Amino acid sequence: AQSVTQPDIHITVSEGASLELRCNYSYGATPYLFWYVQSPGQGLQLLLKYFSGDTLVQGIKGFEAEFKRSQSSFNLRKPSVHWSDAAEYFCAVGAIGGYQKVTFGTGTKLQVIP
Amino acid sequence: KAGVTQTPRYLIKTRGQQVTLSCSPISGHRSVSWYQQTPGQGLQFLFEYFSETQRNKGNFPGRFSGRQFSNSRSEMNVSTLELGDSALYLCAGLLAGLGNEQFFGPGTRLTVL
Repeated sequence: AQSVTQPDIHITVSEGASLELRCNYSYGATPYLFWYVQSPGQGLQLLLKYFSGDTLVQGIKGFEAEFKRSQSSFNLRKPSVHWSDAAEYFCAVGAIGGYQKVTFGTGTKLQVIP
Repeated sequence: KAGVTQTPRYLIKTRGQQVTLSCSPISGHRSVSWYQQTPGQGLQFLFEYFSETQRNKGNFPGRFSGRQFSNSRSEMNVSTLELGDSALYLCAGLLAGLGNEQFFGPGTRLTVL
């Protein structure tokens, strides 16, 4: 069965500092990988996704993620965090094939301090 | 284009009651998935509907059910509500094809007293 682990429940960074959120997945084949962001009281917004090709994926809001098959990881990065990035971030894995359910990690809550 | 709509946004019910939540995906998105989000369990997959048929199902009791209409709108029903059903219920429309990108609604916050 597919699974996702986000080992950091809560992360605090200073505004302007770099950010890396960790994500490890378990899946039997090449997966679809996603990062979503959720602001308080809101639904989830897709930041970026990977399913093939270049292992470094660029997303919205200045985020990027790198797929490392050997480490089963898909870490999210941002070189300089803004106060508006404070939110909860979810990594997710889905099966290739079109219509399978997506499994989400437990989320990492990001706090940004001035 | 319009986003995913969920109604109502907030709901308060008491134990033993039943509730129906509604989700309208983006036009053209024929797959709709439902998720339950709680602080303790995170995001858990409930079920997915495509062309009015349930295609995938998570590990929830039979009290949780759903359906989809010909216009892709979907409803989720929870019968005999329990305190533990208090959660944010999210629906997501799926853009089929390469990428499996889901578009989420803002959710319905259900509180069971």
